[in-house]
Amino acid sequence: IVLTQSPDTLSLSPGERATLSCRASQSVSVRYLAWYQQKPGQAPRLLISATSNRATGTPDRFSGSGSETDFTLTISRLEPEDFAIYYCQQYGGSWSFGQGTKVDIK
Amino acid sequence: EVQLVQSGAEVKKPGESLKISCKASGYSFSDYWVAWVRQLPGKGLEWMGIIYPGDSDIKYSPSFQGLITISGDRSINTAYLQWRSLKASDTAMYYCARAGLGASFDVWGQGTVVTVSS
Repeated sequence: IVLTQSPDTLSLSPGERATLSCRASQSVSVRYLAWYQQKPGQAPRLLISATSNRATGTPDRFSGSGSETDFTLTISRLEPEDFAIYYCQQYGGSWSFGQGTKVDIK
Repeated sequence: EVQLVQSGAEVKKPGESLKISCKASGYSFSDYWVAWVRQLPGKGLEWMGIIYPGDSDIKYSPSFQGLITISGDRSINTAYLQWRSLKASDTAMYYCARAGLGASFDVWGQGTVVTVSS
C-alpha cells in the first residue's frame, strides 16, 4: 500500500491551524493508521495510533481522523515545538510510510 | 523504562559486511515485533523489515529482500540488521522500532548512522 502525503511543505505561523493529509492507494483499516513527528537530529515519535488515538504525551491539540483511503492529522493551534516533519504509516499485511509533510514557520 | 538501545555509528568501505544491533529492555522482548527503518540523508522513513522474536518470524519489504538479513537473539533481548556487502548507497541512519498496538511503532531506538565510503 502506497501512502501519499500532502502537501510536501506547509508554511504556517504559530497559533494557526495545520491540516495534513495522507491518502492510501487502497483501503486501510482505521486500526492500522498512525502518525509520527520527527524533529531534526531525533528519532521519530509516535503521535497517534489507530487513526485517532493520541499516544502517551501527545498534546490534545493534535487530532487524527479519516477512514478507508483518506486520513488527516490536524494541529489545532501550532506551538513553536510543533514545527517538524510528520509521517503517516499503515499496516495492511506489511508496513509502509508516507513521504512526509514538513511544517515550517512562515 | 521501555527502551531500545542501538549500537554505535559505523564507517565501512564498499564490499564490507556489517551487523548492527538493537537491545531491548523494560518489556518482554519475545512478545513484540521489532522493525528496522532506514532514513537516507535528508529523506523520509522506509520500512525495511521486521522480526517477531517469539518465534523468529521475519518479514522483509520487497525493496530490501535479499539485500539485508534481520535476526534476533532472545537470550540477550537483541535484534540485528546485517549486510553481506555494503554499497555507498547504504549510507543512512537506521532505526529499530517496536511495533505495539495497531502495528504502530511506539518505541524507537536512538538510531545508528552507517557511512559507507571508499
